[in-house]
Amino acid sequence: AQTIHQWPVAEIKAVGSPLSLGCTIKGKSSPNLYWYWQATGGTLQQLFYSITVGQVESVVQLNLSASRPKDDQFILSTEKLLLSHSGFYLCAWSLEQGDTEVFFGKGTRLTVV
Amino acid sequence: QQQVRQSPQSLTVWEGETAILNCSYEDSTFNYFPWYQQFPGEGPALLISIRSVSDKKEDGRFTIFFNKREKKLSLHITDSQPGDSATYFCAASGSNYQLIWGSGTKLIIKP
Repeated sequence: AQTIHQWPVAEIKAVGSPLSLGCTIKGKSSPNLYWYWQATGGTLQQLFYSITVGQVESVVQLNLSASRPKDDQFILSTEKLLLSHSGFYLCAWSLEQGDTEVFFGKGTRLTVV
Repeated sequence: QQQVRQSPQSLTVWEGETAILNCSYEDSTFNYFPWYQQFPGEGPALLISIRSVSDKKEDGRFTIFFNKREKKLSLHITDSQPGDSATYFCAASGSNYQLIWGSGTKLIIKP
């Protein structure tokens, strides 16, 4: 069975501090990977996607970057957090592009103070 | 151009009634429309989806009605249950790796 694990579950960070969020997918080879951001009570905004190791495409930057160092791992990071980075970060995967189900992780709740 | 709109923002119905959630889009190249259900503190999960070649899709108590000409679709939840209380997102995609999401409808089912 496929599993998607996000870490950490929650973070409280200071403005200007660095951030690294991670995501691992097990049970699927070469999945498409995605990072989403969701404001509290808001819609989902796709940030990045990756269809292969080492390649990441930006959809909306928001002063964040993403990397895919391994086939099953996706990392979201920034060197300097802003207050506006607070929210719910979701990692997701799919097998194909377009009309296919996207499976989401349980998310990381980030509070920037 | 790439926008998905949902209404109402929130909806309250009694248990057993039919809840109707609406969605519209602008980009005529969109051809896949999933509806996701999200409970507080969790990631969204796919509920039901439809492709633009169809005008209706049923899965148990959940039905999507799709009007390509008007670029509108709706999700009907019949015999609503308290466990259906959640936020429902309509999304749309075309030929790339992007999903465009609506703002969501918060559904409350009163027992």
